[in-house]
Amino acid sequence: EAEVAQSPRYKITEKSQAVAFWCDPISGHATLYWYRQILGQGPELLVQFQDESVVDDSQLPKDRFSAERLKGVDSTLKIQPAELGDSAMYLCASSFVESYEQYFGPGTRLTVT
Amino acid sequence: DQQVKQNSPSLSVQEGRISILNCDYTNSMFDYFLWYKKYPAEGPTFLISISSIKDKNEDGRFTVFLNKSAKHLSLHIVPSQPGDSAVYFCAAYRGPHSGSARQLTFGSGTQLTVLP
Repeated sequence: EAEVAQSPRYKITEKSQAVAFWCDPISGHATLYWYRQILGQGPELLVQFQDESVVDDSQLPKDRFSAERLKGVDSTLKIQPAELGDSAMYLCASSFVESYEQYFGPGTRLTVT
Repeated sequence: DQQVKQNSPSLSVQEGRISILNCDYTNSMFDYFLWYKKYPAEGPTFLISISSIKDKNEDGRFTVFLNKSAKHLSLHIVPSQPGDSAVYFCAAYRGPHSGSARQLTFGSGTQLTVLP
């Protein structure tokens, strides 16, 4: 069964360092989402792509976060510099353009020390 | 502004009994409602959905009920099994007709524990 791939699964970094996460969506899914989930809360959308274009990045802290999906397939989310409050699970999801059902990857657990 | 709320952070149920998880929403423009299940160290997995024009959808042991007038939905699991122990997220979907991007808005989740 096709799955959303994410790496790394776990990342520990010191504050002020740069960190990057990678996501490979299910083949054929044009829409890709990056979410942040803080313990005890639901996933919150950071950025949404359709193909290589950003559809919504209104909740992305653009002073330190960036996201790209250059060829419209896999995607990278970067944080520079990382802050203590960035410690969270970062989830990637993908879907067909017309579908409401999103498929999630296993996530990257980020700890900033 | 929490558009989707799950007011119970946790629920414990005996194996074989019914589990009822609740969710409230504020935006009447949502088109679909979904339930996701999440195990520790894994991403959420889709469980069941319901269209805003329906009031019930059933899939095996799982049934979702929608009460539009109360802006409330619930997930029923019958019978509950220990493997059902997980965090359950309610999510609401807005389609493009509302002028916004197709997006899910999640509740904060309910930790279900099914006791053997």
